[in-house]
Amino acid sequence: AQTVTQSQPEMSVQEAETVTLSCTYDTSESNYYLFWYKQPPSRQMILVIRQEAYKQQNATENRFSVNFQKAAKSFSLKISDSQLGDTAMYFCAFMKIDGGSNYKLTFGKGTLLTVNP
Amino acid sequence: DVKVTQSSRYLVKRTGEKVFLECVQDMDHENMFWYRQDPGLGLRLIYFSYDVKMKEKGDIPEGYSVSREKKERFSLILESASTNQTSMYLCASSPSAGALSPLHFGNGTRLTVT
Repeated sequence: AQTVTQSQPEMSVQEAETVTLSCTYDTSESNYYLFWYKQPPSRQMILVIRQEAYKQQNATENRFSVNFQKAAKSFSLKISDSQLGDTAMYFCAFMKIDGGSNYKLTFGKGTLLTVNP
Repeated sequence: DVKVTQSSRYLVKRTGEKVFLECVQDMDHENMFWYRQDPGLGLRLIYFSYDVKMKEKGDIPEGYSVSREKKERFSLILESASTNQTSMYLCASSPSAGALSPLHFGNGTRLTVT
């Protein structure tokens, strides 16, 4: 079974600064996807960024980027130029690819990020 | 935009009651999921369905059942609610392409069992 570990239950950052959220995972699979999801106080979970394990290049989405270290099984999220709207719970998630329709995610416990003005 | 609608935002039920949580998606997605979210535990998968009338157990199915009679609707059933089922419940859907399109979540139902 896969496990996803987020070692930082809470973090805070000043507006406009950069913050990195950590995530490690454990799997014996070679082909999988990794995700960061964001859950703001409004509650709806939305996708921030995703990374295919077979791609060496780190994914980026505007101010969000990842540092994917496959050998170390590490998948951290960097948020640049933090904004107040980035305040949310962030979840790291793992999805193995088994060739069927079995597309279920395994989530970490989450990191609560607060952006301070 | 994909819309995943959970019928109730807040629900209060008594111990022993049968509880139905309803979820409807409007994008013809094959896969639907029920997660439970608890502080310090993250999201845990209860059940999922990859087709009408198909269901598979997730990581914590005990005390729950599901029903998927129509493609757009996925119901979570608590046969006899207990206080340890007080939690936030999140429904999600995705097309069969899986990771090529992300999970789309509903707004959640906060269930309190007294």
